[in-house]
Amino acid sequence: EDQVTQSPEALRLQEGESSSLNCSYTVSGLRGLFWYRQDPGKGPEFLFTLYSAGEEKEKERLKATLTKKESFLHITAPKPEDSATYLCAVQEAGAGSYQLTFGKGTKLSVIP
Amino acid sequence: DVKVTQSSRYLVKRTGEKVFLECVQDMDHENMFWYRQDPGLGLRLIYFSYDVKMKEKGDIPEGYSVSREKKERFSLILESASTNQTSMYLCASSFRQRETQYFGPGTRLLVL
Repeated sequence: EDQVTQSPEALRLQEGESSSLNCSYTVSGLRGLFWYRQDPGKGPEFLFTLYSAGEEKEKERLKATLTKKESFLHITAPKPEDSATYLCAVQEAGAGSYQLTFGKGTKLSVIP
Repeated sequence: DVKVTQSSRYLVKRTGEKVFLECVQDMDHENMFWYRQDPGLGLRLIYFSYDVKMKEKGDIPEGYSVSREKKERFSLILESASTNQTSMYLCASSFRQRETQYFGPGTRLLVL
């Protein structure tokens, strides 16, 4: 069973059409939840870290929120340059825990 | 800005060759990581290092080894490359255990 599940797998939006991406997780204790953006053929680019339920972070048209079981990445009035794959990763609590567990990503396409 | 660099963007190797992938970070980070990324499987951790000369296995260490002789440099070694090691390899680093991992641009390896 996957510990991190992202939905939808792919999303097509018209420019300006706001929407949300979902990341649900099943780890027993969360140390941190991370959002990345990845363009084709490139490494993931860091967006946000969330540590506790109720926390929110914003950057330009993106806003990340966290509950005890899931996180949302809200995209407000997207532009074509927001097209990318968005990855969610969780780090489980534990003294020796360094590892991030990644979801498979949501591929976002924003059509002009 | 955090900078993680990888020695090659693209590599083509023959089955059975020994392959070295190098990663360098310039932010004095304690931790360094090697992942591979495959379509449909997402990012999977191969090895990580939390200090010079220290290493820990990730989820898929078979067929790989690593070396960290200096704090800023982390090498991934494929002792005898096989076709199933064709993949995108991503290096990352983080300052402390709980901190964000920053990724390099990736090396796309093709083993023929």
